[in-house]
Amino acid sequence: NAGVTQTPKFRVLKTGQSMTLLCAQDMNHEYMYWYRQDPGMGLRLIHYSVGEGTTAKGEVPDGYNVSRLKKQNFLLGLESAAPSQTSVYFCASINPGLSYEQYFGPGTRLTVT
Amino acid sequence: AQKITQTQPGMFVQEKEAVTLDCTYDTSDQSYGLFWYKQPSSGEMIFLIYQGSYDEQNATEGRYSLNFQKARKSANLVISASQLGDSAMYFCAMRRYSGGGADGLTFGKGTHLIIQP
Repeated sequence: NAGVTQTPKFRVLKTGQSMTLLCAQDMNHEYMYWYRQDPGMGLRLIHYSVGEGTTAKGEVPDGYNVSRLKKQNFLLGLESAAPSQTSVYFCASINPGLSYEQYFGPGTRLTVT
Repeated sequence: AQKITQTQPGMFVQEKEAVTLDCTYDTSDQSYGLFWYKQPSSGEMIFLIYQGSYDEQNATEGRYSLNFQKARKSANLVISASQLGDSAMYFCAMRRYSGGGADGLTFGKGTHLIIQP
């Protein structure tokens, strides 16, 4: 039982490049979330999903897209990376019917130059 | 909209002393949950403790307790007998349960706690 995993752990992009961050969970959780954490800040919600095929915007969705084609995976895409997207990205999941705790992945550190 | 305020950017505490980390929140919802997470220098988010808005008793988990004062909208974390390993960032967070409860967590900016020997 790996919990929540994130790929990759680190990445450096040039401005304008695109990339996809992968979040995978093996706990059969319904809800999944993408957050970003900037220096001196708490985590802020980017997008979330309440089930396969559904996504919704969070607090800071601009510049990101997401997809949840399979229940266990939640992908975060940056179509044209900007230096303002330099951040640490965390994925989280929860099964709302069983637990209140959000399980977090280890994070992906992204630098856009 | 919800808001979490943590007014202590940093704290220095002597080992073995008790620590109180402040958290106040703002919400118009009646049903919500309050969380504390620890983030060590390695970066992972570690869940510490949870308090539901309808829970009448303060939550406790080992050396952690949550001092929940609903009328004041505060949810302070108390760490008893602090240890060097408690040095980390601590985040207070809230989740509302109205509207289906799918919303994510709203976080405060955190408190950087340093335990001194």
